[in-house]
Amino acid sequence: SAVISQKPSRDICQRGTSLTIQCQVDSQVTMMFWYRQQPGQSLTLIATANQGSEATYESGFVIDKFPISRPNLTFSTLTVSNMSPEDSSIYLCSAGRTGVTEAFFGQGTRLTVV
Amino acid sequence: SQQGEEDPQALSIQEGENATMNCSYKTSINNLQWYRQNSGRGLVHLILIRSNEREKHSGRLRVTLDTSKKSSSLLITASRAADTASYFCATDGSGNTGKLIFGQGTTLQVKP
Repeated sequence: SAVISQKPSRDICQRGTSLTIQCQVDSQVTMMFWYRQQPGQSLTLIATANQGSEATYESGFVIDKFPISRPNLTFSTLTVSNMSPEDSSIYLCSAGRTGVTEAFFGQGTRLTVV
Repeated sequence: SQQGEEDPQALSIQEGENATMNCSYKTSINNLQWYRQNSGRGLVHLILIRSNEREKHSGRLRVTLDTSKKSSSLLITASRAADTASYFCATDGSGNTGKLIFGQGTTLQVKP
């Protein structure tokens, strides 16, 4: 298994500002992902965080809005840029290993934009 | 985009009763997983069933998979108040990318 620490756990931000969310895994993992969960909705994949290279974004998500870094195998950040109230969601970090199908999730960051 | 539908969207039962949740998906899969989410927190992996399996048990959980109908069900037997949570099915597609596509989820309330 893997334990994922995500911070902050929650934040209230002013529109137009940016927030960086950190995700730390307690062991080396092959894959890291970022998901968004809008209020009352299911999870939607934002992007795959690639170690040492640009993240791979899903349709509807762009790097300018959600820049992602992954400098090593155990750490990644997601920035929500130029926030608007529509960005109010839970953002979840996930990690996995090649050959292991179970995914591990952080506790999520509950973001409210006012 | 979401993989498919889950039903019911919400389920309320008494402690001790069984809870059944259904999930449908659209594409070919290697496996299907079920996760639980308590009060908008992180997800906890419950059980995985591979595409060549039809039924799997883990404690009070029973999962079935019908690949011809592209559907799965999760049965929780002898439910407890602590089972109150949202339950999501997730599929991996067939690409072994590690990316998960989640269903809409079922919110389960177990009344003591």
